[in-house]
Amino acid sequence: GQSLEQPSEVTAVEGAIVQINCTYQTSGFYGLSWYQQHDGGAPTFLSYNALDGLEETGRFSSFLSRSDSYGYLLLQELQMKDSASYFCAVWVVGNKLTFGGGTRVLVKP
Amino acid sequence: DTGVSQDPRHKITKRGQNVTFRCDPISEHNRLYWYRQTLGQGPEFLTYFQNEAQLEKSRLLSDRFSAERPKGSFSTLEIQRTEQGDSAMYLCASSFYRDKETQYFGPGTRLLVL
Repeated sequence: GQSLEQPSEVTAVEGAIVQINCTYQTSGFYGLSWYQQHDGGAPTFLSYNALDGLEETGRFSSFLSRSDSYGYLLLQELQMKDSASYFCAVWVVGNKLTFGGGTRVLVKP
Repeated sequence: DTGVSQDPRHKITKRGQNVTFRCDPISEHNRLYWYRQTLGQGPEFLTYFQNEAQLEKSRLLSDRFSAERPKGSFSTLEIQRTEQGDSAMYLCASSFYRDKETQYFGPGTRLLVL
């Protein structure tokens, strides 16, 4: 089976930096993705890491350590519009994507 | 192309009825996924197509669920003899084979079984 763990909720102020950690236990792993979902909206792709290291895309960065079965999403210069749920998801052999339970990020002024 | 579309956006049905949802992926995308999402949870994988071939199906999916993608373009998801536990958001996503890990999600169909 597969399991993913991420914090349920994080609160921060505008302009701050937030790190959302994700640990996973799975067989056949080949990559880690992150998705953003606003209330009532569809998930939106943020990043994909297949190799160890940091991938940076604008204010968001994603990190993967395959040996530690661990990754994180870093949100910098937080804005009010970043208030949303963030899901880590693992890709496994067979091209299946398994999502974690999500981290609700609340940005306060 | 405006993205992945799903129809209907909302469906209310009575227990025991059959329902069918449609998904139109982005036109050049050959991969199509169906997910189910309940409140406060992440999307749960249901099934996956590459072109018209259904390659994976979740073991959690009962025999009441069936999906098709007859011409490798749009897909339908049918739920027979609906149960109250089927109430959820049903999401469709598509991706291009050269960038298969970037999935584009549709707005979803919200199902309520009374």
